[in-house]
Amino acid sequence: EAEVAQSPRYKITEKSQAVAFWCDPISGHATLYWYRQILGQGPELLVQFQDESVVDDSQLPKDRFSAERLKGVDSTLKIQPAELGDSAMYLCASSYTGGEAFFGQGTRLTVV
Amino acid sequence: GIQVEQSPPDLILQEGANSTLRCNFSDSVNNLQWFHQNPWGQLINLFYIPSGTKQNGRLSATTVATERYSLLYISSSQTTDSGVYFCAGRTGNQFYFGTGTSLTVIP
Repeated sequence: EAEVAQSPRYKITEKSQAVAFWCDPISGHATLYWYRQILGQGPELLVQFQDESVVDDSQLPKDRFSAERLKGVDSTLKIQPAELGDSAMYLCASSYTGGEAFFGQGTRLTVV
Repeated sequence: GIQVEQSPPDLILQEGANSTLRCNFSDSVNNLQWFHQNPWGQLINLFYIPSGTKQNGRLSATTVATERYSLLYISSSQTTDSGVYFCAGRTGNQFYFGTGTSLTVIP
């Protein structure tokens, strides 16, 4: 069964360091989402791609966060510099355009 | 964006009991999903249900799109049903998540 792959599963980093997360969507899915989930809350969209184009990054803190999906397949989300408040679960999802979304296992980030 | 309200926020059940979780949307959505978040944080798909009723084993879901709500029914609950349940609705390009219902099933 096809799955969304994310790595790493866990990451501990010191504040002010750079950190990157990787996501490989289900083959053929044109839409890719990055969500951030703070403990006790629902996921919040950071950025959404349609193929290689960003269609929504209104909630992405662009002073420190960046995301790319260069060939319209896998994607990288970067934080530089990391802050204590960035500690959260980072979730990647993919879907056919307008279709059912499937999530990866997530990356749990702890900033110390 | 739209507001998604889930109720109840917390629910404690005895094993074997039935429950209903509700999801209300402030505006129309063109599709809707229910998820179960496992203890490791992964969101597991339960239902993709823009309208109508679907059943999968002990779980079923009903979406009444015209009235902007969806219900998730859990029958004969088991301890493995514990976790957080989220609904999410799509409007335009975006998925909007509720704040979840935390379910604890005690033996």
